[in-house]
Amino acid sequence: DAGVTQSPTHLIKTRGQQVTLRCSPISGHKSVSWYQQVLGQGPQFIFQYYEKEERGRGNFPDRFSARQFPNYSSELNVNALLLGDSALYLCASSWGTGRGTDTQYFGPGTRLTVL
Amino acid sequence: AQSVTQPDIHITVSEGASLELRCNYSYGATPYLFWYVQSPGQGLQLLLKYFSGDTLVQGIKGFEAEFKRSQSSFNLRKPSVHWSDAAEYFCAVLVTGGFKTIFGAGTRLFVKA
Repeated sequence: DAGVTQSPTHLIKTRGQQVTLRCSPISGHKSVSWYQQVLGQGPQFIFQYYEKEERGRGNFPDRFSARQFPNYSSELNVNALLLGDSALYLCASSWGTGRGTDTQYFGPGTRLTVL
Repeated sequence: AQSVTQPDIHITVSEGASLELRCNYSYGATPYLFWYVQSPGQGLQLLLKYFSGDTLVQGIKGFEAEFKRSQSSFNLRKPSVHWSDAAEYFCAVLVTGGFKTIFGAGTRLFVKA
């Protein structure tokens, strides 16, 4: 089975633009989480979705939004990009309800650079 | 508030030597704790996790970790390091409610021949 896949691999945007990142979970997984990893830091939790509903949200501004589709894939949208949004964005999927006791499987990430 | 501290930004060990990576957490109740590894260009991979029970947890790739409540620590160990272990290691704690995982800043491991 394929692991968690994310697209695109790399992305370059300019300040003020909008970006959409995509994530496909492992087949059979119903929960998807998004994390932001700034260079030199650990991942920061952004969102968690289970069965197309938002179950958790981190301390990120409203410029960040996400959704989950009926096939359990997910998109992360970031509006009005700032230089500080430059980071590796990680997606993780898990089989169960998405509570952290389920093992999370991470994708390779999307590297976003904002100029 | 829950938090995770990894005191060492980077550590260098010789191949074949033992390894201990430190992790301290701040949490009001019995924590759910994790160690992940991230190799360059790769996503995070779970090494091991602690929820309850035996305080010595065995993981993949020969790693183990010991939960010490009195010291609020969850240190990762390996008896003999291989060059392929060079990577970044993250300790993490699950926040109450179960939907949010807080990661430490990471410790980068360098392995010298």
